Amino acid sequence: EVQLSESGGGLVQPGGSLRLSCAASGFSFISYAMNWVRQAPGKGLEWVSIITDNGDTIKYADSVKGRFTISRDNSKNTLSLQMNDLRADDTAVYYCAKGDSITWYGFDQWGQGTLVTVSS
Amino acid sequence: DVVVTQSPLSLPVTLGQSASISCRSSQSLLYSDGNTYLSWFQQRPGQSPRRLIYRLSNRDSGVPDRFSGSGSGTDFTLKISRVEAEDVGVYYCMQNTHWPPTFGQGTKVEIK
Repeated sequence: EVQLSESGGGLVQPGGSLRLSCAASGFSFISYAMNWVRQAPGKGLEWVSIITDNGDTIKYADSVKGRFTISRDNSKNTLSLQMNDLRADDTAVYYCAKGDSITWYGFDQWGQGTLVTVSS
Repeated sequence: DVVVTQSPLSLPVTLGQSASISCRSSQSLLYSDGNTYLSWFQQRPGQSPRRLIYRLSNRDSGVPDRFSGSGSGTDFTLKISRVEAEDVGVYYCMQNTHWPPTFGQGTKVEIK
């Protein structure tokens, strides 16, 4: 069974930093692109970032470019998101979502999410 | 970015009846490989999103055949036949024919 489990969320002040992690199991992690997707409270879904299976392609939404860094450790089946210079509008539940065998943005499996709150 | 617009935003339905959600994109979602990269997701209250339909009309494993996706070009539909209580939630369409992937605003399905 595929499992994705996010951690690292919490309350942080504007301008602060936070590092999210996503532990993956139940599939060949090294074979799939992985994404972060976020959902502000009561709002819709927004794609944030992607890293391909071997890490050679990384992309970001314009809203986080230059502030967030995605990475992965295929030896530990772990995906990470380093978030710097956080703003109030980064407040959201952050989900890791798996690419599928056809497209990097398949989002065929999702974690339970971790809540990031940016507030003073 | 491709804008994806869903309607209606709220959909009260009667148990056992059918429901349809519309999704329109600002550009054609037909890719050069012949596929249409339009997916549908269900988010039940308090849960993570779950993919129901991928590449326009393919149901994911375990998804009841009451759910079906159709459409072409810029106009797409998710149909739920014989709505059940467990279908309550918010439904999102998403395109990834064009980068970046973009989601519709969501349609909230509730029981009358």
